[in-house]
Amino acid sequence: GQQVMQIPQYQHVQEGEDFTTYCNSSTTLSNIQWYKQRPGGHPVFLIQLVKSGEVKKQKRLTFQFGEAKKNSSLHITATQTTDVGTYFCAGGSSNTGKLIFGQGTTLQVKP
Amino acid sequence: NAGVTQTPKFRILKIGQSMTLQCTQDMNHNYMYWYRQDPGMGLKLIYYSVGAGITDKGEVPNGYNVSRSTTEDFPLRLELAAPSQTSVYFCASSSGGRYTETQYFGPGTRLLVL
Repeated sequence: GQQVMQIPQYQHVQEGEDFTTYCNSSTTLSNIQWYKQRPGGHPVFLIQLVKSGEVKKQKRLTFQFGEAKKNSSLHITATQTTDVGTYFCAGGSSNTGKLIFGQGTTLQVKP
Repeated sequence: NAGVTQTPKFRILKIGQSMTLQCTQDMNHNYMYWYRQDPGMGLKLIYYSVGAGITDKGEVPNGYNVSRSTTEDFPLRLELAAPSQTSVYFCASSSGGRYTETQYFGPGTRLLVL
Protein backbone atom coordinates (compact mmCIF):
# COMPACT_ATOMS: atom_id res chain seq x y z
CA GLY A 1 0.00 0.00 0.00
CA GLN A 2 0.90 3.66 -0.15
CA GLN A 3 3.55 4.62 2.40
CA VAL A 4 5.15 7.95 3.26
CA MET A 5 8.44 7.90 5.14
CA GLN A 6 9.99 10.92 6.76
CA ILE A 7 13.56 11.39 7.98
CA PRO A 8 15.07 12.18 10.34
CA GLN A 9 12.69 11.44 13.20
CA TYR A 10 14.42 13.94 15.48
CA GLN A 11 16.84 16.80 14.91
CA HIS A 12 18.55 19.05 17.44
CA VAL A 13 20.18 22.19 16.07
CA GLN A 14 21.80 25.30 17.45
CA GLU A 15 19.84 28.46 16.81
CA GLY A 16 21.00 29.93 13.51
CA GLU A 17 21.83 26.58 11.92
CA ASP A 18 19.92 25.24 8.94
CA PHE A 19 17.51 22.29 9.09
CA THR A 20 16.12 19.93 6.47
CA THR A 21 13.53 17.16 6.66
CA TYR A 22 12.91 14.71 3.85
CA CYS A 23 9.76 12.92 2.81
CA ASN A 24 9.74 9.85 0.55
CA SER A 25 6.79 7.99 -0.92
CA SER A 26 6.62 4.41 -2.15
CA THR A 27 4.31 5.55 -4.96
CA THR A 28 3.98 8.57 -7.23
CA LEU A 29 2.05 11.34 -5.54
CA SER A 30 -0.52 13.78 -6.88
CA ASN A 31 0.37 16.38 -4.28
CA ILE A 32 2.24 16.87 -1.04
CA GLN A 33 1.18 18.90 1.94
CA TRP A 34 3.28 20.09 4.88
CA TYR A 35 1.99 20.71 8.38
CA LYS A 36 3.60 22.04 11.55
CA GLN A 37 2.64 20.96 15.05
CA ARG A 38 3.93 23.04 17.96
CA PRO A 39 4.59 21.16 21.23
CA GLY A 40 1.25 20.36 22.86
CA GLY A 41 -0.61 21.73 19.85
CA HIS A 42 -2.34 20.46 16.77
CA PRO A 43 -1.12 20.20 13.16
CA VAL A 44 -1.45 23.41 11.17
CA PHE A 45 -1.29 23.49 7.39
CA LEU A 46 1.78 25.19 5.93
CA ILE A 47 1.72 24.62 2.18
CA GLN A 48 0.78 22.31 -0.68
CA LEU A 49 2.90 21.40 -3.72
CA VAL A 50 1.34 19.82 -6.81
CA LYS A 51 3.73 20.24 -9.74
CA SER A 52 6.78 18.15 -10.54
CA GLY A 53 9.93 20.00 -9.44
CA GLU A 54 7.93 22.72 -7.73
CA VAL A 55 9.69 24.98 -5.24
CA LYS A 56 7.86 27.32 -2.89
CA LYS A 57 9.20 29.64 -0.23
CA GLN A 58 7.69 31.05 2.93
CA LYS A 59 10.20 33.45 4.50
CA ARG A 60 12.98 31.15 5.81
CA LEU A 61 11.17 27.95 4.78
CA THR A 62 11.77 26.38 1.36
CA PHE A 63 9.61 23.49 0.15
CA GLN A 64 10.49 21.27 -2.81
CA PHE A 65 8.60 18.56 -4.68
CA GLY A 66 10.77 16.07 -6.53
CA GLU A 67 10.81 15.72 -10.30
CA ALA A 68 9.38 12.20 -10.05
CA LYS A 69 6.76 13.37 -7.50
CA LYS A 70 7.88 10.69 -5.05
CA ASN A 71 9.81 12.87 -2.62
CA SER A 72 9.77 16.27 -1.00
CA SER A 73 11.84 18.33 1.38
CA LEU A 74 11.43 21.21 3.79
CA HIS A 75 14.47 23.36 4.46
CA ILE A 76 14.63 26.01 7.16
CA THR A 77 17.40 28.59 6.91
CA ALA A 78 18.87 30.03 10.10
CA THR A 79 16.55 28.33 12.56
CA GLN A 80 14.94 30.28 15.39
CA THR A 81 13.42 29.03 18.64
CA THR A 82 9.99 29.69 17.16
CA ASP A 83 10.68 26.92 14.62
CA VAL A 84 10.49 24.26 17.35
CA GLY A 85 7.88 21.60 16.69
CA THR A 86 7.07 18.57 14.60
CA TYR A 87 6.88 18.90 10.84
CA PHE A 88 4.69 16.45 8.95
CA CYS A 89 4.50 15.80 5.27
CA ALA A 90 1.35 14.25 3.85
CA GLY A 91 1.28 12.65 0.43
CA GLY A 92 -1.88 12.59 -1.64
CA SER A 93 -2.68 10.12 -4.38
CA SER A 94 -5.44 10.34 -6.98
CA ASN A 95 -5.09 6.57 -7.50
CA THR A 96 -5.89 5.69 -3.91
CA GLY A 97 -7.85 8.81 -3.00
CA LYS A 98 -5.84 8.95 0.20
CA LEU A 99 -3.72 11.49 2.04
CA ILE A 100 -1.09 9.63 4.05
CA PHE A 101 0.90 11.38 6.76
CA GLY A 102 4.57 10.73 7.38
CA GLN A 103 5.79 10.02 10.90
CA GLY A 104 6.98 13.59 11.33
CA THR A 105 10.33 15.19 12.15
CA THR A 106 10.63 16.80 15.56
CA LEU A 107 12.91 19.83 15.59
CA GLN A 108 14.54 21.14 18.75
CA VAL A 109 16.41 24.44 18.61
CA LYS A 110 18.96 25.36 21.28
CA PRO A 111 19.19 29.09 21.91
CA ASN B 1 -15.41 31.14 13.34
CA ALA B 2 -14.31 28.70 16.04
CA GLY B 3 -13.06 26.26 13.39
CA VAL B 4 -12.87 22.69 14.69
CA THR B 5 -13.61 22.15 18.36
CA GLN B 6 -13.14 18.97 20.38
CA THR B 7 -14.27 17.90 23.84
CA PRO B 8 -13.05 16.81 26.28
CA LYS B 9 -9.43 18.04 26.27
CA PHE B 10 -8.27 15.22 28.51
CA ARG B 11 -9.83 12.05 29.88
CA ILE B 12 -8.76 9.05 31.93
CA LEU B 13 -10.70 5.84 31.33
CA LYS B 14 -10.59 2.47 32.99
CA ILE B 15 -10.24 -0.62 30.86
CA GLY B 16 -13.62 -1.66 29.52
CA GLN B 17 -15.28 1.73 29.93
CA SER B 18 -16.83 3.53 26.99
CA MET B 19 -16.84 7.15 25.97
CA THR B 20 -17.61 9.50 23.10
CA LEU B 21 -15.15 12.07 21.82
CA GLN B 22 -17.00 15.06 20.44
CA CYS B 23 -16.02 17.02 17.35
CA THR B 24 -17.78 20.01 15.82
CA GLN B 25 -16.84 22.28 12.93
CA ASP B 26 -18.48 25.54 11.89
CA MET B 27 -16.88 25.91 8.45
CA ASN B 28 -19.58 23.97 6.61
CA HIS B 29 -17.01 21.42 5.50
CA ASN B 30 -18.24 18.20 3.95
CA TYR B 31 -15.24 16.07 4.87
CA MET B 32 -14.37 15.19 8.43
CA TYR B 33 -11.71 12.89 9.85
CA TRP B 34 -10.56 11.25 13.04
CA TYR B 35 -6.86 10.61 13.59
CA ARG B 36 -4.89 9.19 16.44
CA GLN B 37 -1.35 10.27 17.16
CA ASP B 38 1.06 8.04 19.03
CA PRO B 39 4.60 9.23 19.87
CA GLY B 40 6.89 8.92 16.85
CA MET B 41 4.15 7.32 14.77
CA GLY B 42 2.63 10.25 13.00
CA LEU B 43 -1.09 10.52 12.35
CA LYS B 44 -3.14 7.42 11.64
CA LEU B 45 -6.60 7.79 10.10
CA ILE B 46 -9.32 6.04 12.11
CA TYR B 47 -12.51 6.98 10.26
CA TYR B 48 -13.63 9.65 7.86
CA SER B 49 -16.85 11.04 6.47
CA VAL B 50 -17.60 12.67 3.14
CA GLY B 51 -20.90 14.13 4.28
CA ALA B 52 -23.83 13.69 6.61
CA GLY B 53 -24.89 10.06 6.77
CA ILE B 54 -21.74 8.73 5.06
CA THR B 55 -18.77 7.31 6.93
CA ASP B 56 -15.93 4.99 6.02
CA LYS B 57 -13.02 3.21 7.68
CA GLY B 58 -9.50 4.53 7.67
CA GLU B 59 -6.27 2.70 8.45
CA VAL B 60 -6.97 1.80 12.11
CA PRO B 61 -10.76 1.55 12.69
CA ASN B 62 -10.85 -1.43 15.08
CA GLY B 63 -12.28 -0.56 18.49
CA TYR B 64 -13.97 2.63 17.30
CA ASN B 65 -17.27 3.70 15.82
CA VAL B 66 -18.46 6.94 14.28
CA SER B 67 -21.65 8.59 13.11
CA ARG B 68 -22.37 11.70 11.06
CA SER B 69 -25.95 12.85 11.48
CA THR B 70 -25.21 16.50 10.69
CA THR B 71 -22.63 18.39 8.64
CA GLU B 72 -21.22 19.97 11.81
CA ASP B 73 -20.75 17.00 14.15
CA PHE B 74 -18.63 13.88 13.89
CA PRO B 75 -18.41 12.03 17.23
CA LEU B 76 -16.02 9.12 17.80
CA ARG B 77 -17.16 6.31 20.08
CA LEU B 78 -14.93 3.94 22.05
CA GLU B 79 -17.04 1.03 23.29
CA LEU B 80 -14.60 -1.05 25.36
CA ALA B 81 -11.53 1.00 26.14
CA ALA B 82 -8.18 -0.79 26.02
CA PRO B 83 -4.69 0.43 27.01
CA SER B 84 -3.72 0.34 23.33
CA GLN B 85 -6.19 3.18 22.77
CA THR B 86 -4.14 5.54 24.94
CA SER B 87 -3.31 8.28 22.46
CA VAL B 88 -4.01 11.82 21.36
CA TYR B 89 -7.05 12.03 19.12
CA PHE B 90 -7.44 14.75 16.53
CA CYS B 91 -10.53 15.61 14.58
CA ALA B 92 -10.07 17.44 11.28
CA SER B 93 -12.19 18.77 8.46
CA SER B 94 -11.74 19.85 4.87
CA SER B 95 -13.97 21.51 2.32
CA GLY B 96 -13.41 19.04 -0.46
CA GLY B 97 -11.59 15.92 -1.57
CA ARG B 98 -9.67 13.83 0.86
CA TYR B 99 -6.21 14.22 -0.56
CA THR B 100 -6.09 17.67 -2.14
CA GLU B 101 -7.69 20.02 0.32
CA THR B 102 -6.21 21.62 3.41
CA GLN B 103 -7.20 19.81 6.56
CA TYR B 104 -8.08 21.92 9.60
CA PHE B 105 -7.39 20.20 12.89
CA GLY B 106 -9.04 20.58 16.26
CA PRO B 107 -7.01 21.00 19.47
CA GLY B 108 -7.08 17.29 20.27
CA THR B 109 -8.27 15.01 23.07
CA ARG B 110 -5.67 13.28 25.21
CA LEU B 111 -6.95 9.89 26.33
CA LEU B 112 -5.32 7.69 28.94
CA VAL B 113 -6.69 4.17 29.44
CA LEU B 114 -5.61 2.47 32.66
